[in-house]
Amino acid sequence: QVQLQESGPGLVKPSETLSLTCTVSDYSISSGYYWGWIRQPPGKGLEWIGSIYHSGSTYYNPSLKSRVTISVDTSKNQFSLNLSSVTAADTAVYYCAREFRDCSGTRCRNWFGPWGQGTLVTVSS
Amino acid sequence: SYDLTQPPSVSVSPGQTASITCSGDKLGDKYASWYQQKPGQSPVLVIYQDDKRPSGIPERFSGSNSGNTATLTISGTQAMDEADYYCQAWDSSTVVFGGGTKLTVL
Repeated sequence: QVQLQESGPGLVKPSETLSLTCTVSDYSISSGYYWGWIRQPPGKGLEWIGSIYHSGSTYYNPSLKSRVTISVDTSKNQFSLNLSSVTAADTAVYYCAREFRDCSGTRCRNWFGPWGQGTLVTVSS
Repeated sequence: SYDLTQPPSVSVSPGQTASITCSGDKLGDKYASWYQQKPGQSPVLVIYQDDKRPSGIPERFSGSNSGNTATLTISGTQAMDEADYYCQAWDSSTVVFGGGTKLTVL
């Protein structure tokens, strides 16, 4: 049963870079699938941040693209999120999840599961 | 950008059928997925590819998608089904989530 676990600082100062890592257990990232980051501000809905394929191909939310970098380290079976120039609006629970995606032309079927337990990141001085 | 619209809340009596809608332009031409999130927990996939149930999800959960609307249906709703539900689709190389619906079982 694949498991995902987020790790990283729970407090980040405004204008600095938020960095999180997701460690995957009982499944090799190199075997396939996409791997994604999703966040949820307190009391609000889900927002997709971006996803990465094991080969390193990335897809980002256009609204965050200028500040986001997602990378993968297959030797450690981990993938990471960097979000730069953070503000209080970036305060959220950050989840990592495995993403199944299959595209035929421009039509894609995709879904996320399983998800990590999530980690709260607060942006505050 | 592509938007998915869900009603903020839906109420249902125990044992009755709950329907949660998700609307988007030509959503029926895309694939919809649904997630259940209980307070303090991570989201759980309950429907994928419009109408498929993952292993371990009760048969009372079903989905459909046509026209501009995808629908999550919970038959014989139980108290344990009280949660937030989110729809999700793919559009123009972007993952989109609906705003979420709070299902109350009362």
